Amino acid sequence: AQSVTQPDIHITVSEGASLELRCNYSYGATPYLFWYVQSPGQGLQLLLKYFSGDTLVQGIKGFEAEFKRSQSSFNLRKPSVHWSDAAEYFCAVVVQNFVFGPGTRLSVLP
Amino acid sequence: KAGVTQTPRYLIKTRGQQVTLSCSPISGHRSVSWYQQTPGQGLQFLFEYFSETQRNKGNFPGRFSGRQFSNSRSEMNVSTLELGDSALYLCASSLGRGGEQFFGPGTRLTVL
Repeated sequence: AQSVTQPDIHITVSEGASLELRCNYSYGATPYLFWYVQSPGQGLQLLLKYFSGDTLVQGIKGFEAEFKRSQSSFNLRKPSVHWSDAAEYFCAVVVQNFVFGPGTRLSVLP
Repeated sequence: KAGVTQTPRYLIKTRGQQVTLSCSPISGHRSVSWYQQTPGQGLQFLFEYFSETQRNKGNFPGRFSGRQFSNSRSEMNVSTLELGDSALYLCASSLGRGGEQFFGPGTRLTVL
């Protein structure tokens, strides 16, 4: 069965610092890949998605992610974090249905 | 275009009761999926409906059920509530399978 791992449960960065959130998936073929963000008490908002083509995808709020087939990874990056980026981030893959990773909680220090 | 709406937003029930949650998808979306989110288990897929048919089901007991109406609105029902059913229940809609899912704000269910 497909699975998604996000090795970092909680990450703390300073405002203005760069960010990379890791995501690895386990599936034989290349699934559709997504990153979602969830603010406290809210639903999930799509940051970006990868279906095929260019392996570097741009998303909203200055986020980007790179698909690396050889590593089965889809890491999320942002060059300069803002305090408003503090939230929980979920990586997801789609085969028959969405399978979400456990999430990474991001804290931002002023 | 209006987003996904879920009602009610908050619900408190006692053990043994049943509950019905409602989800209205984005206009034109025919696929509705339900998820349970808890601190311990994370986001878990419950089921997906497309054109009034359950297309996929997660690993949940039969106490969890759902349906979809001809206007794509969906309801999920949980019978004989247990304390462990306390969770945020999220609904998501999409145009079809594998497509981007748009999430509602969720219904926070507390079982006492």
